[in-house]
Formats: sequence, C-alpha cells, structure tokens
Amino acid sequence: GQNIDQPTEMTATEGAIVQINCTYQTSGFNGLFWYQQHAGEAPTFLSYNVLDGLEEKGRFSSFLSRSKGYSYLLLKELQMKDSASYLCATMDSNYQLIWGAGTKLIIKP
Amino acid sequence: GAVVSQHPSWVICKSGTSVKIECRSLDFQATTMFWYRQFPKQSLMLMATSNEGSKATYEQGVEKDKFLINHASLTLSTLTVTSAHPEDSSFYICSAEGKRELNEQYFGPGTRLTVT
Repeated sequence: GQNIDQPTEMTATEGAIVQINCTYQTSGFNGLFWYQQHAGEAPTFLSYNVLDGLEEKGRFSSFLSRSKGYSYLLLKELQMKDSASYLCATMDSNYQLIWGAGTKLIIKP
Repeated sequence: GAVVSQHPSWVICKSGTSVKIECRSLDFQATTMFWYRQFPKQSLMLMATSNEGSKATYEQGVEKDKFLINHASLTLSTLTVTSAHPEDSSFYICSAEGKRELNEQYFGPGTRLTVT
C-alpha cells in the first residue's frame, strides 16, 4: 500500500530552527514535494526533490533519501508567519500526488 | 509564475441544490486538472483527474454522478456538486498540471462550500 507519515504537530520558538520529517512508502517514485498551507487557504509549493540530497532555498531546505524513504523540511530563522501546516506529498508511478496528513507547526515568540 | 483561480471562493447553499465551482488556469494551458476535497484537519483527498476533451477519471469512492466534472477547454474545468447535502460541506481545491520538468501542480485558492 501507499503510506506517508509525518508528525501531527510541532512547536518551535521564533528565530529557532525546526526539522519536519516525512517517511513514505509508495508505488513507484517520481519525486517528493513539500507544501505550506495556512488555515483556510490552498497549499503553496515549497520544494521538490527527486534526487538524494539537500536542496536549499532561502530559509527553507529539503532533504531526500530514496533508499530510506525519508525526507525532511528544515526551516531556519523561524518567523511567526511560518505558523502553518506543512504537507509532504510523493508522486507515484502514475504521476499522482499522494498526500501526508500534514504537520501543524506552531511558532511561539 | 503559473496562476490558477477558482470561483466562487466560498458558497453557502441549501440542501438539495446544485453548486458549480470553476477552476481556471490564467496564464498557461493545462491539459490536466485535479480536483481535491479537504475536510478540517485532514489531508487533501484527490477526487478526480480531469483531462481536456475527455471524461474525468474518478477516484474510488467518489460518485461521478454527484460530482460532475467538465474540462471543456485548456484553461477551464468545472466541478458541479449535484443535490448537495450537509456532508458535502468541505474545502474544494483544484490544481492544474504545470511545468513538465518539475511535475508540479499549481493550486487554486480553494472554494469553501457550506450546505445548510
């Protein structure tokens, strides 16, 4: 079966660093996406990894290990506006997105 | 960047009526659009894949006669919720397939449907 796991909720402090993990089991693999979703809004694209390694984009970085079925999203210099849900999604062999349930990130001052 | 719009952004309707939601790709042509439903605190659930000029492909458990999808052009797909019931109240989000090299989907802002 296809399965994506990520923590339900995390709390971090403004200015700190937080790592959100995602493990997956899917039928085929055509990449892993991270999206940010604020309450009541549609998801917005953050990153896409299809090869192993770390992709850095400003304050956000995403890592992928295909052999381990594992990814993480790293957020640095946290700001209050980073409070949101972070969705991990993989693209399977049929090019369909399989979504995790999302990790609610709470930023405290 | 690629922009996808949805209309309306929110709608309240009475039980038994039908509601049409539009999804448009504003600055690119989308041969494939996807319709998702998201209940509070739950993940997005793919309802159907819509290809321009052909019938939509529905996911298991999604009633195709209740959720009518039409993808009449390369920039417009519509979802009609027929005979809506309170349990259909949800956040409906469309996405359009974008740059092939990224396999990326561009999301519309979503439509919040409340059925009373």
